[in-house]
Amino acid sequence: DAGITQSPRHKVTETGTPVTLRCHQTENHRYMYWYRQDPGHGLRLIHYSYGVKDTDKGEVSDGYSVSRSKTEDFLLTLESATSSQTSVYFCAIQGVLTGYEQYFGPGTRLTVT
Amino acid sequence: EDKVVQSPLSLVVHEGDTVTLNCSYEVTNFRSLLWYKQEKKAPTFLFMLTSSGIEKKSGRLSSILDKKELFSILNITATQTGDSAVYLCAVETTSGTYKYIFGTGTRLKVLA
Repeated sequence: DAGITQSPRHKVTETGTPVTLRCHQTENHRYMYWYRQDPGHGLRLIHYSYGVKDTDKGEVSDGYSVSRSKTEDFLLTLESATSSQTSVYFCAIQGVLTGYEQYFGPGTRLTVT
Repeated sequence: EDKVVQSPLSLVVHEGDTVTLNCSYEVTNFRSLLWYKQEKKAPTFLFMLTSSGIEKKSGRLSSILDKKELFSILNITATQTGDSAVYLCAVETTSGTYKYIFGTGTRLKVLA
């Protein structure tokens, strides 16, 4: 295992409520990522981090914010959840086998009603 | 606009068949292409390719990159039911950023 966990694993929330998903790693990796996966779209990058307090937007960042105050934790926040944000969210860390590969967490299934 | 296109979208074969999955890409300043296997959970890493013409091999799986024609193929020989999965291709969008764009995947089903 790459030592990456996500919490919660499942969540149902109502439209308009704030939601925070947590990604925790024990590997001390610099790069961390948040993706969403939807049928017909594959994995799409939301935000990523290249160090503590260093983050950048991905291709689908609207409606999401992130924070990384410690190396091991990368938080994804939906300020006001919408039904279009119903998805499976994966966190990933950059591996050291090749320096390019990513190891993914188990995923969080989020449903916004 | 950066993009990664995989084909076919889905494929059904019988055990023992050989399959070829395709990944074509258009990105700025290509540096790396990665293949992943996704069963009913998180994707797992298979191969990383950076140079044209050099085959990467792991058991019955192999992959090669053509940087001139901007594509990669993933071959699986003597398929088994355990190879049933979605195979994802990802390309770094701009060299040095470690940001990746994924294709939508090829869903492979291997029948016994």
